[in-house]
Amino acid sequence: NAGVTQTPKFQVLKTGQSMTLQCAQDMNHEYMSWYRQDPGMGLRLIHYSVGAGITDQGEVPNGYNVSRSTTEDFPLRLLSAAPSQTSVYFCASSYNLGPQETQYFGPGTRLLVL
Amino acid sequence: ILNVEQSPQSLHVQEGDSTNFTCSFPSSNFYALHWYRWETAKSPEALFVMTLNGDEKKKGRISATLNTKEGYSYLYIKGSQPEDSATYLCAIPPTSGSRLTFGEGTQLTVNP
Repeated sequence: NAGVTQTPKFQVLKTGQSMTLQCAQDMNHEYMSWYRQDPGMGLRLIHYSVGAGITDQGEVPNGYNVSRSTTEDFPLRLLSAAPSQTSVYFCASSYNLGPQETQYFGPGTRLLVL
Repeated sequence: ILNVEQSPQSLHVQEGDSTNFTCSFPSSNFYALHWYRWETAKSPEALFVMTLNGDEKKKGRISATLNTKEGYSYLYIKGSQPEDSATYLCAIPPTSGSRLTFGEGTQLTVNP
């Protein structure tokens, strides 16, 4: 199993540009989520999905869209990039939505918005 | 939104020292506590999931304890090694599922 994969690893955008961060998992996990990590703020939940066709907002959803058309894929779209979205983005998945379920993280995408 | 606090924010120790740090969380409606280890340029990896008051878990030189009544967990590292240098994150799920709320982490640096 490849686990959780993310592309790209690094990206530089100009303010106003749009892009999609890709996330895929091959573990047949129902639950997938996107976090952003900023210095001094820990990991903050952007959006999550409990299964194909179902998504919901997390703690910091503004400026981001998600969709879940398949169990495997959970792309994160930045509609109009802003410097405040400069961050490291992690995708994570778990088998289901139980409180004891371990989440498996991807390698992260480092995004710089100029 | 749950309030998960970790202390200290950062820690520098010498190789061979033992160390510990704290995760504090609301003691009401507790479901589970997760510890993750996050090395620079890598993805966070799960260390422990703890659920019962008084739980103690161990993995090699790393161990953790849980007190759900007073709302804290300790992570201990015995005989720290440079490869233990990482950020240690704790996280609590809200009542409705595994949408984890993370603390800010404790950044550990072990000097050779």
